[in-house]
Amino acid sequence: GNSVTQMEGPVTLSEEAFLTINCTYTATGYPSLFWYVQYPGEGLQLLLKATKADDKGSNKGFEATYRKETTSFHLEKGSVQVSDSAVYFCALSEGGSQGNLIFGKGTKLSVKP
Amino acid sequence: EAGVVQSPRYKIIEKKQPVAFWCNPISGHNTLYWYRQNLGQGPELLIRYENEEAVDDSQLPKDRFSAERLKGVDSTLKIQPAELGDSAVYLCASSLPGGANVLTFGAGSRLTVL
Repeated sequence: GNSVTQMEGPVTLSEEAFLTINCTYTATGYPSLFWYVQYPGEGLQLLLKATKADDKGSNKGFEATYRKETTSFHLEKGSVQVSDSAVYFCALSEGGSQGNLIFGKGTKLSVKP
Repeated sequence: EAGVVQSPRYKIIEKKQPVAFWCNPISGHNTLYWYRQNLGQGPELLIRYENEEAVDDSQLPKDRFSAERLKGVDSTLKIQPAELGDSAVYLCASSLPGGANVLTFGAGSRLTVL
């Protein structure tokens, strides 16, 4: 079945460091891909998305590119801030925009000043 | 605009007891989801509603779990009787019809079964 695999956490970085959180997926067809973020004490919220191959999603300085050839959707940010500390979830949508979301296990990011 | 509201935020019960969780979605969001998130895992879908109709309940353990969404707005998720393995965070989310999986999640209800 369809699945999402994320790099294990926790990830600890110093402020202004470069961030990469790896995400690979297994899916039949052409899923849409998402990154959701959960800040401490809050609900998950959409960070960015991409709906087809080679699309780049971006938001708040974060980027991810839909790579069909490597079935990946890695999350990157050039310079992290303490306020980026959160848990990041990669997800895919079966059946396009009407399908259900399948989430990875999440990667906890801690950014130290 | 209020977000997705869930209650209670925390619940501790003994096994075999019943428990219920309530969710009020964002106004106008016809699609409502219940997810379960076990410790260290990503959310897993339990049930999805389009208005008052459950369109996907394939992952809902129907022997002990039930859900309803009367009038197509608020929703309740019930567990009866609860088991130790039901300890988890129960998340409610909502989206616009055809919302391209842009879900807004509530803060969740953390259940501990002793």
